[in-house]
Amino acid sequence: SAVISQKPSRDICQRGTSLTIQCQVDSQVTMMFWYRQQPGQSLTLIATANQGSEATYESGFVIDKFPISRPNLTFSTLTVSNMSPEDSSIYLCSVRQGRTEAFFGQGTRLTVV
Amino acid sequence: DQQVKQNSPSLSVQEGRISILNCDYTNSMFDYFLWYKKYPAEGPTFLISISSIKDKNEDGRFTVFLNKSAKHLSLHIVPSQPGDSAVYFCAASETNDYKLSFGAGTTVTVRA
Repeated sequence: SAVISQKPSRDICQRGTSLTIQCQVDSQVTMMFWYRQQPGQSLTLIATANQGSEATYESGFVIDKFPISRPNLTFSTLTVSNMSPEDSSIYLCSVRQGRTEAFFGQGTRLTVV
Repeated sequence: DQQVKQNSPSLSVQEGRISILNCDYTNSMFDYFLWYKKYPAEGPTFLISISSIKDKNEDGRFTVFLNKSAKHLSLHIVPSQPGDSAVYFCAASETNDYKLSFGAGTTVTVRA
């Protein structure tokens, strides 16, 4: 298993600003992912955070809006840039070791006002 | 396009009875399926999984059934307990891919 710490757990931000979310894992993992859960909806994959190279983004998500860093095998950050109220969501970091279950952080609840 | 579908947004069940949650998928490349439980203000917690080479997997009170021909899976919780009240997500991944596709979730309420 993996223990994932996400910071901050929640934040209220002004529109037009940016927020960086941190994800720390207690062990080295190959695959790290960032998901978004908009109010009342399912989890949607934003991108795969690749160690040592640029993240791989899913359709509808772009690097300018959601820049991701992955400096090593235990840490990643997701930045939500130039925020608008539509970015109000729960953002979740996840890791998966092979073809088994994925583990999730507790999430960051973002409210943009 | 939603490849994993949970058509029942909510389910209410009496404590001690069986909860049955359903999930359908459209992508024939999915070969690994998982169920997660989520409480408010927490991340999803893994419950149980099943590979496409099996049609049933059991872990304590939780059993997952897979019907590949129908592209359908279900989660049975027996007996249901008040602590089972949460949102349950069905998820799936393709062969040689680690990404998960999630359903919309089913909110389960267990009544005392």
